[in-house]
Amino acid sequence: SQELEQSPQSLIVQEGKNLTINCTSSKTLYGLYWYKQKYGEGLIFLMMLQKGGEEKSHEKITAKLDEKKQQSSLHITASQPSHAGIYLCGAAYGGSQGNLIFGKGTKLSVKP
Amino acid sequence: DAGVIQSPRHEVTEMGQEVTLRCKPISGHDYLFWYRQTMMRGLELLIYFNNNVPIDDSGMPEDRFSAKMPNASFSTLKIQPSEPRDSAVYFCASRKRTGSAEAFFGQGTRLTVV
Repeated sequence: SQELEQSPQSLIVQEGKNLTINCTSSKTLYGLYWYKQKYGEGLIFLMMLQKGGEEKSHEKITAKLDEKKQQSSLHITASQPSHAGIYLCGAAYGGSQGNLIFGKGTKLSVKP
Repeated sequence: DAGVIQSPRHEVTEMGQEVTLRCKPISGHDYLFWYRQTMMRGLELLIYFNNNVPIDDSGMPEDRFSAKMPNASFSTLKIQPSEPRDSAVYFCASRKRTGSAEAFFGQGTRLTVV
């Protein structure tokens, strides 16, 4: 969906380096989800952010949601080959509405 | 729970043929989503159901596409007639009622129309 823009589209990093992926919404989010996908497989849930200014971490991955709830960043510290894949941000808009739309994804490659 | 189950995993069909994709959501989940993923367009929401009722089908590309959810444990996405441009990976996902709940995805059906 064009309502969610991810950047960069692709990223190649050396193992051990840090990286950041951004997700920007054209309107205020109800909730922001980060998923990871390996080629040919389904999406795996990483974390969900709902409150402005919220930050969550899982192992070496940290995600933040800005105060205005229109932008989120995903930061990976000391990247490893296991982090390689496609990272997608997904958004729910408007209260209890069930719709869940996604950005086009960021393809991450980690070189050993 | 076995998670969201989709079938078949792979489907190859000839242009003009009818294709039916199937999905069994996680028991107790109230929302069911159908997505299509391509390199060009990413992951597109086609339609979603709440308590078996279609809520938003604005993402369905054409009248050739139809989706049904006859009960809480089964949904189908049908393409009739299929065209080569329908080739993509189709995902089904389900989630609980609350707006903050994560969606669980199936493994997808890779459709190739030749």
